[in-house]
Amino acid sequence: KNEVEQSPQNLTAQEGEFITINCSYSVGISALHWLQQHPGGGIVSLFMLSSGKKKHGRLIATINIQEKHSSLHITASHPRDSAVYICAALHGNQFYFGTGTSLTVIP
Amino acid sequence: NAGVTQTPKFQVLKTGQSMTLQCAQDMNHNSMYWYRQDPGMGLRLIYYSASEGTTDKGEVPNGYNVSRLNKREFSLRLESAAPSQTSVYFCASPQGGDGYTFGSGTRLTVV
Repeated sequence: KNEVEQSPQNLTAQEGEFITINCSYSVGISALHWLQQHPGGGIVSLFMLSSGKKKHGRLIATINIQEKHSSLHITASHPRDSAVYICAALHGNQFYFGTGTSLTVIP
Repeated sequence: NAGVTQTPKFQVLKTGQSMTLQCAQDMNHNSMYWYRQDPGMGLRLIYYSASEGTTDKGEVPNGYNVSRLNKREFSLRLESAAPSQTSVYFCASPQGGDGYTFGSGTRLTVV
């Protein structure tokens, strides 16, 4: 059983739609990390949060520590948002990674 | 440009051959990590180094060795490559409160 579960695994959206990607974890954590992996394979760090909400441009990440759940929202989605989104839970001094959500935004 | 530099980008090995993946960071961070990424699985930690001179095993260390040569460099060595080590390898280093900086990845195929 993976310590970090993401849903959905795959997501297709029309340009402009509001998108939500979910992340649930089973271990106690000190922080939750959202990453973006583009088709070329490069991985970019989006957010690291331990409580509440963070916003960067059209991206919003929230976390509920009691419910062991985090969400990544994308407002006004665009084809350039097409990527794999990965969440990772920091437990002790190690990250445990979800398997990713593959997002395709269609023009 | 600050970041993590990882080489090579691609490599094909025959079973039993050895190779070293190189990683260097210019952010003056203490911690560095090596991960592998396989289809259908999340990134898995191979080894990490919390500071210069220290290394520790992660989740999947078998078949690998590491060296923390200095604060900048953290290398991953496959002494005798096996097909099960076919994967994409990433080096990473923390970037403060905003998570990690990742290298561009090494796509390794062992035939």
